[in-house]
Amino acid sequence: QSALTQPASVSGSPGQSITISCTGTSTDVGSYYLVSWYQQHPGKAPKLIIYEGDKRPSGVSNRFSASKSGNTASLTISGLQAEDEADYHCCSYAIDNTLLFGGGTKLTVL
Amino acid sequence: QLQLQESGPGLVKPSETLSLTCTVSDGSISSDDYLWGWIRQPPGKGLEWIATIYYSGRTYYDPSLRSRLTISVDTSKNEFSLNLDSVTDADTAIYYCARQFNLGLRPAATFDYWGQGTLVAVSS
Repeated sequence: QSALTQPASVSGSPGQSITISCTGTSTDVGSYYLVSWYQQHPGKAPKLIIYEGDKRPSGVSNRFSASKSGNTASLTISGLQAEDEADYHCCSYAIDNTLLFGGGTKLTVL
Repeated sequence: QLQLQESGPGLVKPSETLSLTCTVSDGSISSDDYLWGWIRQPPGKGLEWIATIYYSGRTYYDPSLRSRLTISVDTSKNEFSLNLDSVTDADTAIYYCARQFNLGLRPAATFDYWGQGTLVAVSS
């Protein structure tokens, strides 16, 4: 099984919206709406921001939203803020009770 | 607030075994609602799922690491452990332990509490 595919980097200006894609296959993202997204600031542990496709944990801003189309899941951050600058990782349940992470996307707030 | 703490050597020689323990505090590892996972992150790279365990001892492994991996749980100590045999440079990473949602004894992609991570370097 290969890692999920994410863009290496994305950027946006404060107030704008950006979308990060996470592409898998029919044996992971395509078959299960069980994708989670994590935000990771430098030197810190990842933080859960989206789970089970489009649910937000308590305390996570509603500026974070997610969706899926076919084999691709997407994370959208609206109203970009400087504090959103971080790495973002997707993770999907996959066939045979395994999990796959994406390679991570570095978000730069210009 | 649940806390997880990884512990173990920060340096392991090539071909030897990497051993880490995750101690869970302010919560019970013997919960029906959660599994317990290990994730690693090579320097400058993305996250990699390694393995997951349920308090009953049921395990789930990444297929590419399965032959070198053993994970176990000790409910009396509220901790779970990882052993990775025959390590190489490629196993150098920050290793995290985390609590994981249980989807009917399937390992969910949802890790809601994480340890701070521990850097393990493989070097002679």
